[in-house]
Amino acid sequence: EVQLVESGGGLVQPGGSLRLSCAASGFTFSTYAMHWVRQAPGKGLEYVSAISGNGIIIYYADSVKGRFTVSRDNSKNTLFLQMGSLRVEDMAVYYCAREPAYKAGTDYWGQGTLVTVSS
Amino acid sequence: DVVVTQSPLSLPVTLGQPASISCRSSQSLVFSDGNTYLNWFQQRPGHSPRRLIYKVSNRDSGVPDRFSGSGSGTDFTLKISRVEAEDVGVYYCMQSTHWPYTFGQGTKLEIK
Repeated sequence: EVQLVESGGGLVQPGGSLRLSCAASGFTFSTYAMHWVRQAPGKGLEYVSAISGNGIIIYYADSVKGRFTVSRDNSKNTLFLQMGSLRVEDMAVYYCAREPAYKAGTDYWGQGTLVTVSS
Repeated sequence: DVVVTQSPLSLPVTLGQPASISCRSSQSLVFSDGNTYLNWFQQRPGHSPRRLIYKVSNRDSGVPDRFSGSGSGTDFTLKISRVEAEDVGVYYCMQSTHWPYTFGQGTKLEIK
């Protein structure tokens, strides 16, 4: 069974940093691109970042470029999102999701982890 | 970025009646490989999004056949043939042809 479990969310002050993790199981992690998608409270879905299975191809939304860094450790089946210079508008539930094939969107999603940015 | 526009944003439906959601993109979603990467997601209250449809009209495993997707180019539709109580939630279309992938604003389906 495919499982994605996010962790690392919490309360952080504006300008602060946070590192999110997504532990994957039930599939060959290294062969799948992975994504981070966020959802601000009461709002819609927004793409944050994506990384290829081998970690070579990486994309960022303009809203986080230069502040967030996506990475993965295929030996530990874990996806990361290092978030820096956090802003109030970054406050959201962050989901990790699996891309089943090239450009196929996302099939499995985690339960999400909440990031609160507030002073 | 490709702008994806859904309508309506609110959809009250009587149980057992059909429902339809429109999704339009600001540019063609046909990729160079000939495929059209348009997906539909359902997000029930308090849950993560769940993909229902991929590549316009392909149902994901376990998705009831009352859900169907259609369309081409820039215009797409999700149809529910007979709405059930468990269908309450927000529905999003998402294009994965162009990076960044983008979502529509969401359509909130509720029971009248």
